[in-house]
Amino acid sequence: EVQLQQSGAELVKPGASVKLSCTASGFNIKDTYMHWVKQRPEQGLEWIGRIDPANGNTKYDPKFQGKATITADTSSNTAYLQLSSLTSEDTAVYYCARRHAMDYWGQGTSVTVSS
Amino acid sequence: DIVLTQSPASLAVSLGQRATISCKASQSVDYDGDSYMNWYQQKPGQPPKLLIYAASNLESGIPARFSGSGSGTDFTLNIHPVEEEDAATYYCQQSNEDPYTFGGGTKLEIK
Repeated sequence: EVQLQQSGAELVKPGASVKLSCTASGFNIKDTYMHWVKQRPEQGLEWIGRIDPANGNTKYDPKFQGKATITADTSSNTAYLQLSSLTSEDTAVYYCARRHAMDYWGQGTSVTVSS
Repeated sequence: DIVLTQSPASLAVSLGQRATISCKASQSVDYDGDSYMNWYQQKPGQPPKLLIYAASNLESGIPARFSGSGSGTDFTLNIHPVEEEDAATYYCQQSNEDPYTFGGGTKLEIK
């Protein structure tokens, strides 16, 4: 069974960084793209970017360049999203998903930026 | 960036009737004979769920009352007959060009 298990909720201070994880089971992440999507409270979905774990190639929405870094560890079948210089604008739920048409999603990780 | 404009922003449909949601792209999302438009359903507190991929293909496990159509810049999601459990927000999303983009969402209420 395909599953994407994301790390737990984070409460972080402004200016800090955070690294979220998304561990896949039931498939090998090297066989597909892995995406990260942001959803602010009561707002729509924003694509952050993706990684091809087979070669580490990444693509980002320019809005998130410098804010987000996507990596993957094929040995642990896990994708990561690091967010830096956090502000209140980064308070959101972050989802990982696989494939061009995102057919499986993680349960989401809530990130709250507050002092 | 390809801008996806969904309409309406919200709609209320009676049980058993048809719901139609439109998604218009600022430029074509077609490539090599395929349309790279996908549709998702999201209920509160849950991740999105893929309903339709490549404009008209029903994802495995999704009821046949959901259907998608369109090509180029104009796409439609239909739900017929609408059931109580279809109350949710629906999003279109294009995967033809980077950056991928989502529509603003359509909230469906069941009367």
